[in-house]
Amino acid sequence: ETGVTQSPTHLIKTRGQQVTLRCSSQSGHNTVSWYQQALGQGPQFIFQYYREEENGRGNFPPRFSGLQFPNYSSELNVNALELDDSALYLCASSLVVAGEVDTQYFGPGTRLTVL
Amino acid sequence: AQSVTQLGSHVSVSEGALVLLRCNYSSSVPPYLFWYVQYPNQGLQLLLKYTSAATLVKGINGFEAEFKKSETSFHLTKPSAHMSDAAEYFCAVTHTGGFKTIFGAGTRLFVKA
Repeated sequence: ETGVTQSPTHLIKTRGQQVTLRCSSQSGHNTVSWYQQALGQGPQFIFQYYREEENGRGNFPPRFSGLQFPNYSSELNVNALELDDSALYLCASSLVVAGEVDTQYFGPGTRLTVL
Repeated sequence: AQSVTQLGSHVSVSEGALVLLRCNYSSSVPPYLFWYVQYPNQGLQLLLKYTSAATLVKGINGFEAEFKKSETSFHLTKPSAHMSDAAEYFCAVTHTGGFKTIFGAGTRLFVKA
């Protein structure tokens, strides 16, 4: 059983650029959530995808968007990068059955630096 | 609305001493509660979770937490701290049918030799 993987591990971009972060879910999981963790803070929920559709969203602007693919891998896209977007981006996968909450398994994260 | 408050951004204990990390939650429906640990430059690892079964939950690495509805608390304890326990600890809450997990701000645990 493989765990959650994320790529790349580190990324440096400049203001105004666009970035795509990738996540491979744990085998058998159908749900993926993305979180932003600024330095010294707890993770903040960005959005969740369930069976390829957005299932909920936190307080993040539309320039944060995502995709979930049939194999349940996922992407987080951020347009028009701002300095405050610098953070560790975490994805977490889980198996949701009949609306019940299951444990989320986190990837190691992608460290994004915006200059 | 759900929220999580972790009391104390930093906790320092001596090796072998009791570890107590405090977490209070707010939820309008029965919650699922979690404790995660994060080591530097790594993702989050689940320590334990409460899902409305036993109120005393045992987790990995000797940690346990007790759900107290009357106090809306879910404090994390470990009888004897080890140097390897030094890390950041996060309490989190979600609920049945919910999609959003709310994390506390975290407590950094320091273990002194």
